[in-house]
Amino acid sequence: DTGVSQDPRHKITKRGQNVTFRCDPISEHNRLYWYRQTLGQGPEFLTYFQNEAQLEKSRLLSDRFSAERPKGSFSTLEIQRTEQGDSAMYLCASSWWASPGTQYFGPGTRLLVL
Amino acid sequence: QQQVKQSPQSLIVQKGGISIINCAYENTAFDYFPWYQQFPGKGPALLIAIRPDVSEKKEGRFTISFNKSAKQFSLHIMDSQPGDSATYFCAATLNSGGSNYKLTFGKGTLLTVNP
Repeated sequence: DTGVSQDPRHKITKRGQNVTFRCDPISEHNRLYWYRQTLGQGPEFLTYFQNEAQLEKSRLLSDRFSAERPKGSFSTLEIQRTEQGDSAMYLCASSWWASPGTQYFGPGTRLLVL
Repeated sequence: QQQVKQSPQSLIVQKGGISIINCAYENTAFDYFPWYQQFPGKGPALLIAIRPDVSEKKEGRFTISFNKSAKQFSLHIMDSQPGDSATYFCAATLNSGGSNYKLTFGKGTLLTVNP
């Protein structure tokens, strides 16, 4: 499978715990995006990487959120001290340098904070 | 500020009918408009996309119509099938000239195709 993969697919955690999600983009894609989708809404941009550099963070990304892409390949998104409002689907997408708007999404990680 | 407005919120169509979903955008700098299809519990899947230098693009049963002056674009699904039942999202972004190329999505349209 050469598509975008995400792990885990589902995560249930208690409020206050830390969680980490992983995204593996399509191998030749240099751009990687994180989005968050709540029920009944379209995905909302969180942050993006060009290679290993994190070039923009949305104001939705509070200081409890951190993302990395250490070698320009896979990326991790960590949420510290989770809150119930963090419950959502976290989506990763990747795109090729020649067509950055053409983004391919992974299956997402569904987070439920109890 | 909602930069991409999508309608209708939900749509019911009979098998074989035409499904039409409309979107309007505000940022005239947008130059790339993709449509995504999402099934429950899955990530959005890219369906078809258009640039503003063309007024229409067709791929199989899916057609995008684009009206640059009105800042509107729409998705037409011909010969709709029950398997097309999903949520459809329009989106917009900058695809050239530098920027982060983040997608701005509409709120989605839940399409139900009855057999």
